[in-house]
Amino acid sequence: EDKVVQSPLSLVVHEGDTVTLNCSYEVTNFRSLLWYKQEKKAPTFLFMLTSSGIEKKSGRLSSILDKKELFSILNITATQTGDSAIYLCAVDLTGANSKLTFGKGITLSVRP
Amino acid sequence: NAGVTQTPKFQVLKTGQSMTLQCAQDMNHNSMYWYRQDPGMGLRLIYYSASEGTTDKGEVPNGYNVSRLNKREFSLRLESAAPSQTSVYFCASSDPGRYEQYFGPGTRLTVT
Repeated sequence: EDKVVQSPLSLVVHEGDTVTLNCSYEVTNFRSLLWYKQEKKAPTFLFMLTSSGIEKKSGRLSSILDKKELFSILNITATQTGDSAIYLCAVDLTGANSKLTFGKGITLSVRP
Repeated sequence: NAGVTQTPKFQVLKTGQSMTLQCAQDMNHNSMYWYRQDPGMGLRLIYYSASEGTTDKGEVPNGYNVSRLNKREFSLRLESAAPSQTSVYFCASSDPGRYEQYFGPGTRLTVT
């Protein structure tokens, strides 16, 4: 059975802290791994990773994939209260149809 | 560009009632998806449509039917609602040339 496991399930930090969110997977036919941020409503796309060891970066957020050890991390530096959200990791298994299997999500709360 | 739109935003049903959730996208995407999101469960795929005229089951299809009316629209029908179908439903779409999915704002459904 394909599995995507995120940890920790929830996290509370203070503004300015750095956080690392984890996503591990056991799947057949891996094609890519995606990170999404979900605030009040719809998930919004952050990163897509297909190759091992290549860091994707956007401002204070960065992510990297390790295909040998089957995990990815999402780092957020100098956290702000606006980073409070659920962070979802998903794995694309089939490729052609972009059928995603999601983890349960990590709830991040950033306190002032 | 409205992106992905969903109607209604909220709905309350009694057990046994039926209803159809509507989804439309204006990004000319071929693939469309229906997910449900329950607390602590992440997003789970109900049905997807790789292209107009095709639909396939996802992880949790029981109790649901779908129709891909045309390239823009993908509807989800609950024939006989049950309390276990209380959830937030998201529609998404994607371009086969790109892996990320774009989500609608969601429909919060309560079945009493």
